[in-house]
Amino acid sequence: EAQVTQNPRYLITVTGKKLTVTCSQNMNHEYMSWYRQDPGLGLRQIYYSMNVEVTDKGDVPEGYKVSRKEKRNFPLILESPSPNQTSLYFCASSYGDSRSGANVLTFGAGSRLTVL
Amino acid sequence: TQLLEQSPQFLSIQEGENLTVYCNSSSVFSSLQWYRQEPGEGPVLLVTVVTGGEVKKLKRLTFQFGDARKDSSLHITAAQPGDTGLYLCAGRSSNTGKLIFGQGTTLQVKP
Repeated sequence: EAQVTQNPRYLITVTGKKLTVTCSQNMNHEYMSWYRQDPGLGLRQIYYSMNVEVTDKGDVPEGYKVSRKEKRNFPLILESPSPNQTSLYFCASSYGDSRSGANVLTFGAGSRLTVL
Repeated sequence: TQLLEQSPQFLSIQEGENLTVYCNSSSVFSSLQWYRQEPGEGPVLLVTVVTGGEVKKLKRLTFQFGDARKDSSLHITAAQPGDTGLYLCAGRSSNTGKLIFGQGTTLQVKP
């Protein structure tokens, strides 16, 4: 089944404890992206990647890092999490350049992160 | 900063009623997508509209892209409890190619 898999789905952690949220897709998609979803704010893009070893900042990149060493994986790293990073995180992928109007994003099921 | 304003933010209706969700911006979009998100899952694409004035139908759902490609609407006829969820519009900027999401509309359809 074609899908985007995120882990963990739920995580409660404490301020300053480094964590990584993994994302893997099995559709051979070139484009991958991370979003955070907060009430009343919709989906905001954190980082995106056009292809292997190519990453760029989205709208809210502060406090996050990403890497794209392989086409299928795009982990999100929080080096020193803070309470304002408590949110629902989604990884998404699509074929080619996501700036094409026809491209469809496939989303993971989400990772709910709480930072105490 | 480009914004995509969705309204209403919350909607609670009885089964069988009709409803319309609006997505408005002052910016022009090359295309606009509508997604539905259910609890515990990621958004799933419902439709993409690309031509000003375009109307697409998906069973009881009707999607319209404004003539000027700055706004869109989603109309649901005879809503059912299975329509309950978060509806998100997302416009692709004509200038930057970036996909911009609205804040979402939470729809609850009561049996």
